[in-house]
Amino acid sequence: DAMVIQNPRYQVTQFGKPVTLSCSQTLNHNVMYWYQQKSSQAPKLLFHYYDKDFNNEADTPDNFQSRRPNTSFCFLDIRSPGLGDAAMYLCATSRGDRVYEQYFGPGTRLTVT
Amino acid sequence: DQQVKQNSPSLSVQEGRISILNCDYTNSMFDYFLWYKKYPAEGPTFLISISSIKDKNEDGRFTVFLNKSAKHLSLHIVPSQPGDSAVYFCAASATLRAAGNKLTFGGGTRVLVKP
Repeated sequence: DAMVIQNPRYQVTQFGKPVTLSCSQTLNHNVMYWYQQKSSQAPKLLFHYYDKDFNNEADTPDNFQSRRPNTSFCFLDIRSPGLGDAAMYLCATSRGDRVYEQYFGPGTRLTVT
Repeated sequence: DQQVKQNSPSLSVQEGRISILNCDYTNSMFDYFLWYKKYPAEGPTFLISISSIKDKNEDGRFTVFLNKSAKHLSLHIVPSQPGDSAVYFCAASATLRAAGNKLTFGGGTRVLVKP
């Protein structure tokens, strides 16, 4: 089945210790997104790649970076996690001509100790 | 500035009855609307969508209604089933690429269907 896969599902990191979350997709979609979702809140878009073009949201902290080495994979790097970065991180994909229909992975729950 | 709002954080309904979820938006550039369903520890899954050229879209037990003049949409689930218990997110998009390829989400409504 075509899908969006996120690893790991649960990640624990220490305050200030860099962490990388990964996302892969078998849908061959050319757009990939990273969202942050805190409890009982709407998913918040951090950035997205349209093919190789990186698009950062204006209010995404510099602490958050992303890499997309190929169509299938996208990574979220948090350089120095703070306690406020504990959240669910959702990866999503879409076709370039249907960006309003996004397919989400199961998410990675990040805990910062 | 919350451009998409779901004013009811939770809804409880008896199995077999209708669930009605509401969503309001403020950005007149939005022209495509979606509902996503989310179970705990899973990502949101696409449920149903509607383009601004329509005022109703139906898919089985799920119907979405759009009132453009009121900037309001609703999701009706009939009949409600216990498996429908989840958090439902309304989302909106301006489909022109110049608008930034974004989905803007509401805060979600938690639905509990009681057997």
